[in-house]
Amino acid sequence: AQTVTQSQPEMSVQEAETVTLSCTYDTSENNYYLFWYKQPPSRQMILVIRQEAYKQQNATENRFSVNFQKAAKSFSLKISDSQLGDTAMYFCAFMVPDKLIFGTGTRLQVFP
Amino acid sequence: DAGVTQSPTHLIKTRGQHVTLRCSPISGHKSVSWYQQVLGQGPQFIFQYYEKEERGRGNFPDRFSARQFPNYSSELNVNALLLGDSALYLCASSFPGLSGYTFGSGTRLTVV
Repeated sequence: AQTVTQSQPEMSVQEAETVTLSCTYDTSENNYYLFWYKQPPSRQMILVIRQEAYKQQNATENRFSVNFQKAAKSFSLKISDSQLGDTAMYFCAFMVPDKLIFGTGTRLQVFP
Repeated sequence: DAGVTQSPTHLIKTRGQHVTLRCSPISGHKSVSWYQQVLGQGPQFIFQYYEKEERGRGNFPDRFSARQFPNYSSELNVNALLLGDSALYLCASSFPGLSGYTFGSGTRLTVV
């Protein structure tokens, strides 16, 4: 079975600090993509960052970076210099042909 | 450019009724996928359509059906609604050859 596990239901961080969200997954596929999506109260899923499984280099997008450990099937998200606007649900997902498989999400609260 | 648009934004139906949800993809995107997100969980894959053909189906009963039109817009139909069908229904579109999906803001369906 292909699964995604996010073991942190809720996290909080102070503005300007750094926080890391954890994600592990299980798949027998060798080629796949991994994603972190952000879902604010507006409900729209917004792509935060993407990682190709065949690339060893960790993806970075401005304040967002990942730590991808393929052998361990781990894909954590680091948010640096946290901002109030980062408050949202964060979903880890991986893509196999034709569909995304999501975790249960981590609710991140950034406080002043 | 318009993003993925979904209609309606909110809907209340009675058990046993039928519902149709609509989605317009980003211009140039030929693939549309549907996801169901129950409160407190991650989205679950329902269908994917590409060039008007079904390319994937998740573990949902036959009460759920969908189709894609020549202009690549899509409809999701649910018959004989159950209370458990209450959820946020998300539509996502993608461009062939690129990894990742762009999501709409969803339709919040409440079954009473």
